[in-house]
Amino acid sequence: DAKTTQPPSMDCAEGRAANLPCNHSTISGNEYVYWYRQIHSQGPQYIIHGLKNNETNEMASLIITEDRKSSTLILPHATLRDTAVYYCIVNAGGTSYGKLTFGQGTILTVHP
Amino acid sequence: GVTQSPTHLIKTRGQQVTLRCSSQSGHNTVSWYQQALGQGPQFIFQYYEEEERQRGNFPDRFSGHQFPNYSSELNVNALELDDSALYLCASREGPGTSTDTQYFGPGTRLTVL
Repeated sequence: DAKTTQPPSMDCAEGRAANLPCNHSTISGNEYVYWYRQIHSQGPQYIIHGLKNNETNEMASLIITEDRKSSTLILPHATLRDTAVYYCIVNAGGTSYGKLTFGQGTILTVHP
Repeated sequence: GVTQSPTHLIKTRGQQVTLRCSSQSGHNTVSWYQQALGQGPQFIFQYYEEEERQRGNFPDRFSGHQFPNYSSELNVNALELDDSALYLCASREGPGTSTDTQYFGPGTRLTVL
């Protein structure tokens, strides 16, 4: 699986948009970009995933660049409960058995 | 959702432990991850159709089992201090589906003294 690079930490004011970047320059054509988050000592929570088109769900938006070498997770109106470690993961998807390779992630702190 | 038991466990070095996981409804593939303090989860292995299909860089002391109802167990023999971690179970639909969205349980916190 391709490796990902994320900033170790970011801050965001409550109510503002949080934009979390991820680099995945060695991504292959069949690999998806997944985002998970982990609130302290809980299991990781799935947020969103995409292949090449931008995606939006009730939690977040995912913007993938045209060359697919980077992506941005957007939390449109961050709240204090969004404070967590956010992981960007690249994975080949349903045709594989699906080992997820987690990096260190980005610690997002949302301030009042 | 995915459930795990027990929530917390304390063992001593050399003992053996069994952790349990129930998959989300409709999911037939289960993965186990180990998360040491301050680190991201590390893949241990994955089971599909009751067979181990993929394995991470973990010694043979770590073994597993998947039952016909898709629930799963993780067994660790000869516990070492470094085995202290949060153990996470994740389930997904099987290979051949369009994506690999895995859903995690809350984890079992294992402490080895």
